Amino acid sequence: DQQVKQNSPSLSVQEGRISILNCDYTNSMFDYFLWYKKYPAEGPTFLISISSIKDKNEDGRFTVFLNKSAKHLSLHIVPSQPGDSAVYFCAASASSGTYKYIFGTGTRLKVLA
Amino acid sequence: DAGITQSPRHKVTETGTPVTLRCHQTENHRYMYWYRQDPGHGLRLIHYSYGVKDTDKGEVSDGYSVSRSKTEDFLLTLESATSSQTSVYFCAISESVTGVHEQYFGPGTRLTVT
Repeated sequence: DQQVKQNSPSLSVQEGRISILNCDYTNSMFDYFLWYKKYPAEGPTFLISISSIKDKNEDGRFTVFLNKSAKHLSLHIVPSQPGDSAVYFCAASASSGTYKYIFGTGTRLKVLA
Repeated sequence: DAGITQSPRHKVTETGTPVTLRCHQTENHRYMYWYRQDPGHGLRLIHYSYGVKDTDKGEVSDGYSVSRSKTEDFLLTLESATSSQTSVYFCAISESVTGVHEQYFGPGTRLTVT
């Protein structure tokens, strides 16, 4: 039972355009969300986070949007750069009781020069 | 970058042999985690630790054990390796577990069980 889903395994975007990566979750108790970026042969690196008290969080070229009613979050990268080519994971956790994050299966982003 | 190292970085072993992976941190973070990454599954939690000698199971703990005798070291042991344990293993650390707590990951260990 996949509680966190990234339904697009891959995405290709032209350099300079917007990249939109999507993530859906099923557990309404999730209230903290993270995005990670992963390059080949490296560990995931933290990118941006959001809690359920917000619907948007911005950090430079990266913005995360949270739609609690739809149980959906998205990561926008504007403008996309070739160095953004990586696998992106979303992760979710519930503040009630545990500190375990559930990760999605990842989306491979390729930014074309 | 958070000071997290994993050893070995690559290992090939035979079915039935015991294997121990080591995670070492220099950040003095209380919480440590072991994940495995497999195609189509993303990152799945194997075990985690919330302090020295305090550990608990994650979602895919069967066939794995852990130990944490010092704050800085978290060991993952495969008692008798199987081919299904061929994977990339990541250690992670976090300073807290309240609020939006980021986890910082090590570089990974690629394990192949033949």
